[in-house]
Amino acid sequence: GIQVEQSPPDLILQEGANSTLRCNFSDSVNNLQWFHQNPWGQLINLFYIPSGTKQNGRLSATTVATERYSLLYISSSQTTDSGVYFCAVGAFRNTGKLIFGQGTTLQVKP
Amino acid sequence: NAGVTQTPKFQVLKTGQSMTLQCAQDMNHNSMYWYRQDPGMGLRLIYYSASEGTTDKGEVPNGYNVSRLNKREFSLRLESAAPSQTSVYFCASSSPEGAAGELFFGEGSRLTVL
Repeated sequence: GIQVEQSPPDLILQEGANSTLRCNFSDSVNNLQWFHQNPWGQLINLFYIPSGTKQNGRLSATTVATERYSLLYISSSQTTDSGVYFCAVGAFRNTGKLIFGQGTTLQVKP
Repeated sequence: NAGVTQTPKFQVLKTGQSMTLQCAQDMNHNSMYWYRQDPGMGLRLIYYSASEGTTDKGEVPNGYNVSRLNKREFSLRLESAAPSQTSVYFCASSSPEGAAGELFFGEGSRLTVL
């Protein structure tokens, strides 16, 4: 099955700093999503991005499907950005079998 | 808009007991999923259902059964709970149309097996 690797595993930032999170995957995908799990355990969908670039406020994501990686950019980080960021990929969108990476734990210090 | 609703939110079981986790979505989604999350790990897919009437195994199906009761509801059953099944369980749903495959999660169910 598809392997998903995220890096770095842990990241500590000062408020206001920028960061880049990476997701590598081992096979062609038709589905790729980024999620944020807040400190209360809630999982929020950030981006559905099997290819291309999207932006939503201070967050943006880019997927280069041909090279099998995706990047999540966080600019001007805030303490509320703390939590775990997961990448999930699926080989065939219609089957819906999404596989998650291990996550990047982000701590933003005031 | 309730989205994805899971019950119960917390449950403590003794080894060998059985229980069912219930999940319902009101977004008219075709696909539904059950994941488990263990400390320091990502989410692992237990079972999923691409549409009403179909179910398929994920990464870690052993010890679980599922039922896609109708389009709205997808339940997860532990027939004989084991301590290794202590985890947080998440139900999710998605639709290949419209927003095209975006996954929406419930709030999770924390299960402890003693």
